[in-house]
Amino acid sequence: DIQMTQSPSSLSASVGDRVTITCRASQSVNTYLNWYQQKPGKAPDLLIYGASSLQIGVPSRFTGSGSGTDFTLTITSLQPEDFATFFCQQTYTTPRTFGQGTTVEIK
Amino acid sequence: QVRLQESGPGLVKPSQTLSLTCIVSGGSISSGSYYWSWIRQSAGKGLEWIGRISASGKLNYTPSLKSRVAISVDTSNNCFSLNLTSVTAADTAIYYCARAPESMSRSLDLWGRGTLVTVSS
Repeated sequence: DIQMTQSPSSLSASVGDRVTITCRASQSVNTYLNWYQQKPGKAPDLLIYGASSLQIGVPSRFTGSGSGTDFTLTITSLQPEDFATFFCQQTYTTPRTFGQGTTVEIK
Repeated sequence: QVRLQESGPGLVKPSQTLSLTCIVSGGSISSGSYYWSWIRQSAGKGLEWIGRISASGKLNYTPSLKSRVAISVDTSNNCFSLNLTSVTAADTAIYYCARAPESMSRSLDLWGRGTLVTVSS
């Protein structure tokens, strides 16, 4: 299985901050890398697919980059509704695997 | 729009079989190029992909559960199902069904709300 490692596991930030979350794959996944946002008690929502393509309806302050083994999710100006847990997922091969999650908390 | 809804027992006894169904509404499970997936989430293991099935019945399972899991599709009733045998407390989790288009990097673009399944006597 391809192992996905996210860092940090959690972070504290303020509204308006720029936030960066990284995801590393144990082997190349090309650009088959997706990002999800999960709020408490809810299912995950797709934010970015194919490493950098924004899902319809997702604000442009979310950007994704990377290829191969190293990927980044950036929130350019954190908004109150962005406080949540973020997961990366590789869909290069089965079994699909997820990172352990990064929780963004209010500072 | 298309919606997914999980249904099934919230409590299963150890060694028994966990059975869940995902009802697809607002669209046909057979239309488009999609895989229909099951994912679970527990405090101890985060998000775990269980497996997927296409409308034509193509299957993939995660190796760690392959000996106990079966996913099936019922196109006439527009739903797909998960069976997990010989459950233990480690199978306690929120179970989600989700849709994965062949395009869009095969991401999970639509999720059900999830259903909590507790394994306990």
